[in-house]
Amino acid sequence: KAGVTQTPRYLIKTRGQQVTLSCSPISGHRSVSWYQQTPGQGLQFLFEYFSETQRNKGNFPGRFSGRQFSNSRSEMNVSTLELGDSALYLCASSFGTSGVDTQYFGPGTRLTVL
Amino acid sequence: GENVEQHPSTLSVQEGDSAVIKCTYSDSASNYFPWYKQELGKGPQLIIDIRSNVGEKKDQRIAVTLNKTAKHFSLHITETQPEDSAVYFCAASGAPSGGSYIPTFGRGTSLIVHP
Repeated sequence: KAGVTQTPRYLIKTRGQQVTLSCSPISGHRSVSWYQQTPGQGLQFLFEYFSETQRNKGNFPGRFSGRQFSNSRSEMNVSTLELGDSALYLCASSFGTSGVDTQYFGPGTRLTVL
Repeated sequence: GENVEQHPSTLSVQEGDSAVIKCTYSDSASNYFPWYKQELGKGPQLIIDIRSNVGEKKDQRIAVTLNKTAKHFSLHITETQPEDSAVYFCAASGAPSGGSYIPTFGRGTSLIVHP
């Protein structure tokens, strides 16, 4: 069974630009969560999508947004990039249908903002 | 909301020694506790998990113990090997928020195993 895939793996952008990251979950998984990982803040939850609807949201500014498609693939977008947005962005998928279930992570997208 | 504390932040051991990483959580509603291993340049990988109806779970050299009364759980790695060197994260979930169960992660422990 293929794991969670994320594209691209690396991105370099400049301040003020916007970026779109993509995540394909494990087949059969309908929940996709996004996290920002930095050395100083650890793993911080951005948002979760289930059946094309945002079901939960972390404490991030509105510049961070996402969406989910009918095939469960998800994208996240960051507009007006700031230097502090440099981080590893991780996507995790799970069944998401009943109670607590295990999240499986992708390899991440390393975003560098210059 | 849930708060997970993880200690130590760095752990250095000699090959063959045991390593123990401890986590505490705050929300008594949490009932699922996964552990992830993250190697350099990779995403976190699930290595073991435990649910609240179980006090201990083992998988070869790895074990996790849970004390729900004290609200803490621990990861034990025996006979450590250099390839165990990585960052380990604990997490707790089970308190629903917005209709889903989002895990709260600890800050991570960097385990270094010296040959």
